[in-house]
Amino acid sequence: GENVEQHPSTLSVQEGDSAVIKCTYSDSASNYFPWYKQELGKRPQLIIDIRSNVGEKKDQRIAVTLNKTAKHFSLHITETQPEDSAVYFCAASITMGGNKLVFGAGTILRVKS
Amino acid sequence: DVKVTQSSRYLVKRTGEKVFLECVQDMDHENMFWYRQDPGLGLRLIYFSYDVKMKEKGDIPEGYSVSREKKERFSLILESASTNQTSMYLCASTGLNQPQHFGDGTRLSIL
Repeated sequence: GENVEQHPSTLSVQEGDSAVIKCTYSDSASNYFPWYKQELGKRPQLIIDIRSNVGEKKDQRIAVTLNKTAKHFSLHITETQPEDSAVYFCAASITMGGNKLVFGAGTILRVKS
Repeated sequence: DVKVTQSSRYLVKRTGEKVFLECVQDMDHENMFWYRQDPGLGLRLIYFSYDVKMKEKGDIPEGYSVSREKKERFSLILESASTNQTSMYLCASTGLNQPQHFGDGTRLSIL
């Protein structure tokens, strides 16, 4: 089955710096890769996702890149702000919607002001 | 806006009790999921359901069962609660070609 590894487990950055979180997956059939943000005491919320027919996707300060050959995808947050502090989870799935997601272990991001 | 509602935010039960966790979604989604979240392990899938009365095991189904009698409701059942089932439980739902939407979670403590 699919296995998703996520690094680093914790990340501290200064406000205004960039943050990068990396994930690798094992199943070459996976073609949907969402990223979720979970603030303390709250539900995970989808912040960005990418499908395998796209190499990069941006949404304001957030971008995700995908390298299907290497089975590797990354989340990039630019100009970090204190409200970006949260736990971030990557996931992989064969399809969007019906199929189960396999999640990474999560990255605790701390943005220091 | 999708709303996934879990019946309890916090729950304390005793070892050996039968525990029911309830989840309701209001978007007529076909698919519903139960995860448990533990520090350093991410979210692990317990069971999921893609239709009424249908269920499939996830990665960690041992000690759990589920029930989906109505499309909007998906219940997780701990048949005989044990201390190693102390965890955060998250419910999610999704429709065709839609991302998963999560509930607020139930923090379950088994004493």
